[in-house]
Amino acid sequence: QSVLTQPPSVSAAPGQKVTISCSGSSSNIGNNYVSWYQQLPGTAPKLLIYDNHKRPSGIPDRFSGSQSGTSATLGITGLQTGDEADYYCGTWDSSLSAGVFGTGTKVTVL
Amino acid sequence: QLLMQQSGPGLVKPSETLSLTCTVSGGSIISTTYYWGWIRQSPGKGLEWIGNIYYSGNTYNTPSLKSRVTMSVDTSKNQFSLRLSSVTAADTAVYYCARVYLEVGLGFRRYYYYYMDVWGKGTTVTVSS
Repeated sequence: QSVLTQPPSVSAAPGQKVTISCSGSSSNIGNNYVSWYQQLPGTAPKLLIYDNHKRPSGIPDRFSGSQSGTSATLGITGLQTGDEADYYCGTWDSSLSAGVFGTGTKVTVL
Repeated sequence: QLLMQQSGPGLVKPSETLSLTCTVSGGSIISTTYYWGWIRQSPGKGLEWIGNIYYSGNTYNTPSLKSRVTMSVDTSKNQFSLRLSSVTAADTAVYYCARVYLEVGLGFRRYYYYYMDVWGKGTTVTVSS
């Protein structure tokens, strides 16, 4: 049972923008840094964003992250067919002393 | 480049113990910066955090599995392991190992930097007789 809530799916046409929300609480997103992961079909997750908004080397700036209060958002601009994947937010929960993931969002390029 | 090679059986019988190992290459498991973690994903489901272990053996475990999970580190082999006892069909999943960045910041209250930046390819484990 995930403690972080994401919309099940989002979709947009190629070249457009999508945003994915991740809602938590003061014990996780409200107090700790958020990361985002992309999971292409049949593959392991890949780190997209860490520390709320930082991108690892090799991740294009089409991907962006932000955090406000107890929510975080992943943005993808210039949507491409290769962006079709499941996306997960993650963070540390200070009350649980455990890592937590979001419920996951499937991105579909129309 | 850090690589994480997973090994272990793909089929485990109910009530038995699942054992997986992750061997790290291209870097040392003895790190003051990183933990080493396990995550699983049941068929068609989302990611589920299992736990993290430091090279010294210090661990964090998910409360829901805590009584059945044992994690260990073998620094001589540059590997870490997961054991999950008394498995049932509900433990059928793809199991991933990962390198974990976990840092505690101290301010008005503690806050955490936390992310997984290198992942293994995953091991599909089926619990069935």
